Amino acid sequence: QLVLTQSPSASASLGASVKLTCTLSSGHSTYAIAWHQQQPEKGPRYLMKVNSDGSHSKGDGIPDRFSGSSSGAERYLTISSLQSEDEADYYCQTWGTGEVFGGGTKLTVL
Amino acid sequence: QVQLVESGGGVVQSGRSLRLSCAASGFSFSSYGMHWVRQAPGKGLEWVAVIWYDGSNKNYADSVKGRFTISRDNSKNMLYLQMNSLRAEDTAVYYCVRDIYDSIYYFDYWGQGTLVTVSS
Repeated sequence: QLVLTQSPSASASLGASVKLTCTLSSGHSTYAIAWHQQQPEKGPRYLMKVNSDGSHSKGDGIPDRFSGSSSGAERYLTISSLQSEDEADYYCQTWGTGEVFGGGTKLTVL
Repeated sequence: QVQLVESGGGVVQSGRSLRLSCAASGFSFSSYGMHWVRQAPGKGLEWVAVIWYDGSNKNYADSVKGRFTISRDNSKNMLYLQMNSLRAEDTAVYYCVRDIYDSIYYFDYWGQGTLVTVSS
C-alpha cells in the first residue's frame, strides 16, 4: 500500500532556507511525487514534480527559490531566501494503489 | 491561461443531493484526465474521483463510491460531480483539478474550490 509521510510542521526564519521531506512507503521508492503549496485561505497550487533521480520540473511562474531533490525513498522541497508569503501548507502527491496525498506540512516563517 | 472554475456548492441537508460543475478554459479539455479533490475544514487534501480524458474510465475513493458520480461534457468543456446521499462528513471545499502524465499522474492546475456544507 502506497503511503506518503510528511512531518506535520516545520519552521524557519525569514531569509533562511528550509527543506521539507516526503517519504514514500516501502516498495515505492522509485515513484515520482509532486509538491503543492496551499497558502492560508487559498486553493492549492502546483509547485513541481520531483523524480527519483532528483530531477524536477516546476510549474508556471514558480520562483527559482523553490527546488526539489531526492534520496532513496525521500523526496525533498527546498525553499531558500524564505519570504513571509511562503508560510503555507505543503502537500506531496503521487499516484498508485493507496494514498494520493501526504498529510501535509505546515510551514511557519519566523 | 488555464482556468478551472467550480460552482454549485452550498448548504444541503443530510441525505439530499447536489451537483458540482467545473468550467474549464485555456487548454484542450478533451485531452486531459480530470479529478475532484476535497478538503474538510481544517483537514488535509483528500482525492475523490477521476475521469479519463474521453470519459471511458472513472474511479472513486472508497469514501464516496456508490454515492458520487463524476462525468464530463467535452463539447462544453465541463466537468461534473453528482453527489447523492450526502453525509455530514462530505462537508468540504471541493476542487476541480487537471492531471498530466509523466511517469506518474500528477495535478498541475487547481480551481479555486466550491464549499459544500451538509447539515444534519
